[in-house]
Amino acid sequence: GAVVSQHPSRVICKSGTSVKIECRSLDFQATTMFWYRQFPKQSLMLMATSNEGSKATYEQGVEKDKFLINHASLTLSTLTVTSAHPEDSSFYICSAREGATQYFGPGTRLTVL
Amino acid sequence: SQELEQSPQSLIVQEGKNLTINCTSSKTLYGLYWYKQKYGEGLIFLMMLQKGGEEKSHEKITAKLDEKKQQSSLHITASQPSHAGIYLCGADMLGRGTGNQFYFGTGTSLTVIP
Repeated sequence: GAVVSQHPSRVICKSGTSVKIECRSLDFQATTMFWYRQFPKQSLMLMATSNEGSKATYEQGVEKDKFLINHASLTLSTLTVTSAHPEDSSFYICSAREGATQYFGPGTRLTVL
Repeated sequence: SQELEQSPQSLIVQEGKNLTINCTSSKTLYGLYWYKQKYGEGLIFLMMLQKGGEEKSHEKITAKLDEKKQQSSLHITASQPSHAGIYLCGADMLGRGTGNQFYFGTGTSLTVIP
C-alpha cells in the first residue's frame, strides 16, 4: 500500500528557534497533503491543507505566519514552526491523499524547551 | 471546531466488559473511518464504512454506520488491556480548502483495567 513518511520523528528545540518537518509520499504523487496537530489526550485537529504549487489553506485559528507550509513538489510538503514556543510542543501528523484514500504519516513529536 | 462529535470523551472499563463509542455528524457522511491511536504514535486503521446500515467486524471490534449515514458506533466485545488507547472517527467533509478535507472526531480515550 501507499506509504507516507515524516522526518524527523522527534525533535527538541529551544524557544525562539524554527523547526521544519517534512512529509513525503513515497510511492505516489499527492497534489494535496494535510497537516494535523494533536495535544495530549486530545484528538487530531486539522491545521491546514497543503496544495502543490499554490498556497496552503489554513483552518480557522491557525496562524499562517507561524506555521509555514510549502508544497514544492508532488511528493513533499514541509511544515515550518517559526519562532517556536513551549505551547507549540505537540504531536504533528501529515497525510496525503491518493484517490479517495488518506494515508497518514507516523507523526513528529515536537518539544520546545 | 470539529463537526464530528464522539461520545463518551473518555471511558474506563474493567477487562472483559463490552463497550460502545459513538461518532455523530450533523452532515451526511460518505465515508466514515475508525482509527486507534496512542498519543505520540501513528494511527492504526480499523475500519471504513460507506453504505447506510453497513456493519463490519474485525476480531472483537464491530463498527456500524446508521441508515442516514450520520452516526457510527464502534463496539468492543470482551475488552482487553490491548484495546486501550484513543479511538478516532474521521471523515471527508467540505472545509475551507478546495474540495474535501479529512476531519477527525473529538476522540474517545479508552482505559481497560486488568
